[in-house]
Amino acid sequence: GAVVSQHPSRVICKSGTSVKIECRSLDFQATTMFWYRQFPKQSLMLMATSNEGSKATYEQGVEKDKFLINHASLTLSTLTVTSAHPEDSSFYICSASGAADSGNTIYFGEGSWLTVV
Amino acid sequence: QQQVKQSPQSLIVQKGGISIINCAYENTAFDYFPWYQQFPGKGPALLIAIRPDVSEKKEGRFTISFNKSAKQFSLHIMDSQPGDSATYFCAASGAAGNKLTFGGGTRVLVKP
Repeated sequence: GAVVSQHPSRVICKSGTSVKIECRSLDFQATTMFWYRQFPKQSLMLMATSNEGSKATYEQGVEKDKFLINHASLTLSTLTVTSAHPEDSSFYICSASGAADSGNTIYFGEGSWLTVV
Repeated sequence: QQQVKQSPQSLIVQKGGISIINCAYENTAFDYFPWYQQFPGKGPALLIAIRPDVSEKKEGRFTISFNKSAKQFSLHIMDSQPGDSATYFCAASGAAGNKLTFGGGTRVLVKP
């Protein structure tokens, strides 16, 4: 199956700083990428949908100025958590959709653990 | 509004038994129903998916049953193994490749 890579897998940052998480589709062109947030023992919550070359579409209640999403190429999307606070600590997961095979299957990355101290 | 309801929240099954997870959806525009398996600290991995033009799909020990009129679908894991212990999520979208709406997840524990 197609591979979606996230980096870093774990990051610790100080409160008030910004942190960037990268999501790459390694063997296909991802026309659409999705960013999710997942708290322990809970389901995935969609934060935003990004299409290459256009502005991301944020879900209701997600602060677009705090969670900056850039999808500059067909293989890379980034999520920047700005002015991070401890409540932003979470597991962030990206997924990508493209014509890797028939059906435009959505593939997920391995996730990135963010801890804000 | 929770558009995809998943049950049970947790499930314990003996090795060799059958694990059954159920999902119900509300949005009749949903046209693609995948199941994902997630191990702790990892991203979800696609297990199997179905479209509403078929009532059942089987891949190895995993089977999806789909009831369009009832707006329900289920995952059956046959001959459950300890390695199947994970959290399973059903999901739905308007079409493959579109954004997914996830169920709440089911934590499955297979006892040896």
